Amino acid sequence: AQSVTQPDIHITVSEGASLELRCNYSYGATPYLFWYVQSPGQGLQLLLKYFSGDTLVQGIKGFEAEFKRSQSSFNLRKPSVHWSDAAEYFCAVAYTGGFKTIFGAGTRLFVKA
Amino acid sequence: DTGVSQDPRHKITKRGQNVTFRCDPISEHNRLYWYRQTLGQGPEFLTYFQNEAQLEKSRLLSDRFSAERPKGSFSTLEIQRTEQGDSAMYLCASSFRDQPQHFGDGTRLSIL
Repeated sequence: AQSVTQPDIHITVSEGASLELRCNYSYGATPYLFWYVQSPGQGLQLLLKYFSGDTLVQGIKGFEAEFKRSQSSFNLRKPSVHWSDAAEYFCAVAYTGGFKTIFGAGTRLFVKA
Repeated sequence: DTGVSQDPRHKITKRGQNVTFRCDPISEHNRLYWYRQTLGQGPEFLTYFQNEAQLEKSRLLSDRFSAERPKGSFSTLEIQRTEQGDSAMYLCASSFRDQPQHFGDGTRLSIL
């Protein structure tokens, strides 16, 4: 069965430090992969997506993610975290054709001054 | 692009009552999705429409749940005889074909 694992429930990073959020997926074929961010009481905002092509994808707000097929991973990175990045981050995978999206349980990011 | 709009933002009701939520997708989007999100979890897929046709329903969607999209535009999600376990955030999303989904801010349901 298709699944998404985000092994870190929460992460605390100092402002200005680099960030990497981990995501592993289980899927039989090349999936569509996404990272979303959610602030408290809000919906989800798309940070970036991978459909095909270049395995390093750039997103909004200075985020990037790298698709590694051999590791079934799609980790999210940011070189320098800002206090406003504190939120919940969700990795997601969709079937080819893209209608049913499966989300990980999320990683909550705390940013300390 | 006014985004995906959901109404109401919050709903508090007594156990056993019926509730209905509305979702207005982005106008040119032909696909509409409903998800449920409980505290500390990611969204769980409930159902999906392509235009007015409901093409997929999760096993999470019990007989007490029904969703419609009568004219292929807005959608409603109704929960009959609400139970404590229905307390959650209900998220709507829309997309054009298999492009990334755009989410609304959700309806938070609290069952007393």
